[in-house]
Amino acid sequence: DADVTQTPRNRITKTGKRIMLECSQTKGHDRMYWYRQDPGLGLRLIYYSFDVKDINKGEISDGYSVSRQAQAKFSLSLESAIPNQTALYFCATSDPPGTEQFFGPGTRLTVL
Amino acid sequence: GESVGLHLPTLSVQEGDNSIINCAYSNSASDYFIWYKQESGKGPQFIIDIRSNMDKRQGQRVTVLLNKTVKHLSLQIAATQPGDSAVYFCAEKTGGGNKLTFGTGTQLKVEL
Repeated sequence: DADVTQTPRNRITKTGKRIMLECSQTKGHDRMYWYRQDPGLGLRLIYYSFDVKDINKGEISDGYSVSRQAQAKFSLSLESAIPNQTALYFCATSDPPGTEQFFGPGTRLTVL
Repeated sequence: GESVGLHLPTLSVQEGDNSIINCAYSNSASDYFIWYKQESGKGPQFIIDIRSNMDKRQGQRVTVLLNKTVKHLSLQIAATQPGDSAVYFCAEKTGGGNKLTFGTGTQLKVEL
């Protein structure tokens, strides 16, 4: 979905490095989410934000931080990457009162 | 904790046949359910949704059935096509906010 973009699409890094994943949306949605996808585990929520001043932890927030720089931008950071953070990362948006979430194309992160 | 799970990790069907993908959920308070389709290398895409006050909802070639008695959700795809090959996820929403809990996914393979 071109309305939700993620950069980079692929990233290989080393243990201990700081990594930032960017998400931008042109949908005008207030709510944004970061998910992690591992094989056999589906999508798990890392952090979510219901507006620029609102940040909330999801079920697996340890080792991650986020920044909502503007309505359209939501960044995910790994302060010190570790190999078990190797996964696919997806950003999503939604707009109340709707519940449907619109996903970006994903970022494949490999931590060596 | 609550969980959303799928009965079968992989489903193979012949082109033109109907496909049925199942999902079990355990939170009786869930009030909204969504089916997503994820093609290789892409983010999940919305297929169809259903609220807990409904038993059935139809879209174009897809039908979602909800059985609240046994906490079961299914996605039926009519006249399955090669382009339907993907991983299908069910997701549930419980309570306020737009947080979704995702199942682990079913890989649908369409054989020519």
